[in-house]
Amino acid sequence: QKEVEQNSGPLSVPEGAIASLNCTYSDRGSQSFFWYRQYSGKSPELIMFIYSNGDKEDGRFTAQLNKASQYVSLLIRDSQPSDSATYLCAADGGATNKLIFGTGTLLAVQP
Amino acid sequence: AAGVIQSPRHLIKEKRETATLKCYPIPRHDTVYWYQQGPGQDPQFLISFYEKMQSDKGSIPDRFSAQQFSDYHSELNMSSLELGDSALYFCASSLHGTRTEAFFGQGTRLTVV
Repeated sequence: QKEVEQNSGPLSVPEGAIASLNCTYSDRGSQSFFWYRQYSGKSPELIMFIYSNGDKEDGRFTAQLNKASQYVSLLIRDSQPSDSATYLCAADGGATNKLIFGTGTLLAVQP
Repeated sequence: AAGVIQSPRHLIKEKRETATLKCYPIPRHDTVYWYQQGPGQDPQFLISFYEKMQSDKGSIPDRFSAQQFSDYHSELNMSSLELGDSALYFCASSLHGTRTEAFFGQGTRLTVV
């Protein structure tokens, strides 16, 4: 079992809709969670960072963390075609000094 | 704002050659991570450094070595290159700690022919 799991998708949503991306993690020692957006052949770009239970909002993006369920999600409101990319969920390695990535979810926003 | 700088951006090497990739972290960041990403795959953790000491090791082949220097830049040395080493290599940097953001450089695309 991978330490950070995501549905690989593709997740297809129409322009203007809400895209919901989900992630689960197995290490209860992980404290910080990250959502990165990655366009093909480009480097991961940090879009959200959360470490407290609950919601964190930044513009059109909302990250949700539920430590009891070991679940992290990312909501993208008013999805745009430019949001089409792979979204990587990552967790810190608990006692280790590394980030552990999920396999990523490919999001396709249809115009 | 200054970002993580990696060099070179592209590198072509032949089998059995060596390669050195460089990473310059964001100023004041003391932690550096190296990742390898093959086509269609998620980034795989190779190794990390904190304050010039190796802090964690992942799936880094014995043919690879890395270090962090006094100015906090890091170098990944790859020897006896194989075709399977062709990938994107990313460096990320952060401040040490569990509640700090990690930012990635633009990556080095290594092609082994």
